[in-house]
Amino acid sequence: GDSVTQMEGPVTLSEEAFLTINCTYTATGYPSLFWYVQYPGEGLQLLLKATKADDKGSNKGFEATYRKETTSFHLEKGSVQVSDSAVYFCALSERVGSGGYQKVTFGIGTKLQVIP
Amino acid sequence: DADVTQTPRNRITKTGKRIMLECSQTKGHDRMYWYRQDPGLGLRLIYYSFDVKDINKGEISDGYSVSRQAQAKFSLSLESAIPNQTALYFCATRAPNTEAFFGQGTRLTVV
Repeated sequence: GDSVTQMEGPVTLSEEAFLTINCTYTATGYPSLFWYVQYPGEGLQLLLKATKADDKGSNKGFEATYRKETTSFHLEKGSVQVSDSAVYFCALSERVGSGGYQKVTFGIGTKLQVIP
Repeated sequence: DADVTQTPRNRITKTGKRIMLECSQTKGHDRMYWYRQDPGLGLRLIYYSFDVKDINKGEISDGYSVSRQAQAKFSLSLESAIPNQTALYFCATRAPNTEAFFGQGTRLTVV
């Protein structure tokens, strides 16, 4: 079945450091890939997405490229801020069966702590 | 107003009690979902619904039931709460081929 693998963390970085959170996946078809962010006390919200191979999603300085050859969707940011402290979830969405259901599979979430 | 609203935000209940978590959405989407979030396990799907008459079990439906009262409302019930149902619960909605919109979560503690 589908799966998403990401490190649990926490990842602790100093402000302005470079961030990489790795995400790899297994899927039977051609999934769409997402990064969601969860700020303390809030629900998940979409950060960025990519729907096909070699697409690059970007938002708020974060980027991730859909790499089919390595089944990866690593999240990067060149210079993190304290306000980026949150939990980041990698996810994939894939159609299952003939009924139109799109199953969404989430990774375990990676906690990022940015210190001043 | 939030796109997806969950009530209550926090709840402490005793083992064996019945409890209902409510969710409403203003996105107009047909699809609604209930997830639970546990440390180290990420998000796991409990139930999902394509429309008012189409409700399906997710990965971990045992001990839970749901009701889709209207397109905009999807409630989750724990018929007889047990301590290992202590978790953070999220409701979500989405349209086909789009991202999900999540509520702010309900922190449930079963003592």
